[in-house]
Amino acid sequence: ILNVEQSPQSLHVQEGDSTNFTCSFPSSNFYALHWYRWETAKSPEALFVMTLNGDEKKKGRISATLNTKEGYSYLYIKGSQPEDSATYLCAFHMNTGFQKLVFGTGTRLLVSP
Amino acid sequence: DAGVIQSPRHEVTEMGQEVTLRCKPISGHDYLFWYRQTMMRGLELLIYFNNNVPIDDSGMPEDRFSAKMPNASFSNLKIQPSEPRDSAVYFCASSRWEKNIQYFGAGTRLSVL
Repeated sequence: ILNVEQSPQSLHVQEGDSTNFTCSFPSSNFYALHWYRWETAKSPEALFVMTLNGDEKKKGRISATLNTKEGYSYLYIKGSQPEDSATYLCAFHMNTGFQKLVFGTGTRLLVSP
Repeated sequence: DAGVIQSPRHEVTEMGQEVTLRCKPISGHDYLFWYRQTMMRGLELLIYFNNNVPIDDSGMPEDRFSAKMPNASFSNLKIQPSEPRDSAVYFCASSRWEKNIQYFGAGTRLSVL
């Protein structure tokens, strides 16, 4: 059974704070690591797809790094805003030739004004 | 493109009734995924199709669940008979094989009384 773990489970920060959270995944049979953003009452939306060890991706104030050798990825949010409040999911894609993603249970972020 | 379209958005039914959830993937996408979201287990994959053919149905909970994809523009997920523990939000997603960025529908919230 593949284990994709995210921490912390939830996070509450003040507007303007910078924050980060972690996704841990198996270090073997790696193909890609996805990050999704999931706002309440909406559906998950893709943020990043990362494939290479050492990859860094950035979209506005949100960035992510990838370490495939040790099996972790960090998501950073610089200067959090209330609109960043959402659940952030990571998903592991194995190199089996299949398109199946295994999702973590997410980090729920709440940014207070 | 209209995105992934799911119907109905909400379904309330009584235990023992048949439930049918519908999904129209994004045109040109060759993968379609059905997920179930619950508080206990997060987002779990039920089944996915490639070019209308089921590839992995290992996540389907039991024989009461079935899914079909008769053509490239439609899939349905059936639960017969439904039980209260089936209450959850069911998401459909589609992707193209090159990137496997999954685009999610708005979900169907199912309540079985």
